[in-house]
Amino acid sequence: KQEVTQIPAALSVPEGENLVLNCSFTDSAIYNLQWFRQDPGKGLTSLLLIQSSQREQTSGRLNASLDKSSGRSTLYIAASQPGDSATYLCAVRPDLSGATNKLIFGTGTLLAVQP
Amino acid sequence: EAQVTQNPRYLITVTGKKLTVTCSQNMNHEYMSWYRQDPGLGLRQIYYSMNVEVTDKGDVPEGYKVSRKEKRNFPLILESPSPNQTSLYFCASRGIGTGGPRAKNIQYFGAGTRLSVL
Repeated sequence: KQEVTQIPAALSVPEGENLVLNCSFTDSAIYNLQWFRQDPGKGLTSLLLIQSSQREQTSGRLNASLDKSSGRSTLYIAASQPGDSATYLCAVRPDLSGATNKLIFGTGTLLAVQP
Repeated sequence: EAQVTQNPRYLITVTGKKLTVTCSQNMNHEYMSWYRQDPGLGLRQIYYSMNVEVTDKGDVPEGYKVSRKEKRNFPLILESPSPNQTSLYFCASRGIGTGGPRAKNIQYFGAGTRLSVL
């Protein structure tokens, strides 16, 4: 059974720091991995999606890497800003067909960037 | 604007009183899902739908029903709510296209419905 774990559960950093959020999964047979941002009252926003054949994806100050063999992904945030404060969720899509439309989520990392 | 709309956003009800949470998407997406989010457990899939009139159970379907009579709508029905269904609910949708809001693999989520069952 696929399990997704995120460490740390919470993180507080001063503005301007570079930081890394970690995600691990137990079964390497995944189709893709997504990083989401969750803001209170605003649902989830997709940040980056990495296909199983890819090693990393970049969007602005965000870089996500994927090491499928070791069951790990990292989200790197450069030059953090107070506006980056949110909960970051990692999710894997376990099935190749996509028929279940299922994502398996970690419990998230609550990030606070202090001005 | 591409979006998934859930209503209501907040709901307090009592045990046993039937309720429906609506979900609508404007991206002509084929796939839709419902998730619940609970502290320490993350998001778990309740039901999913591959297209009109095609629905199936997710990981935690007990106590819930869904229907997909139209492509854009995917309501979640609680016939007899119980306190253990107090949770934050999210609707999500995904297309099977190649670009824009219909690009496959990108899930779009609604803003959530916070339900309390007393």
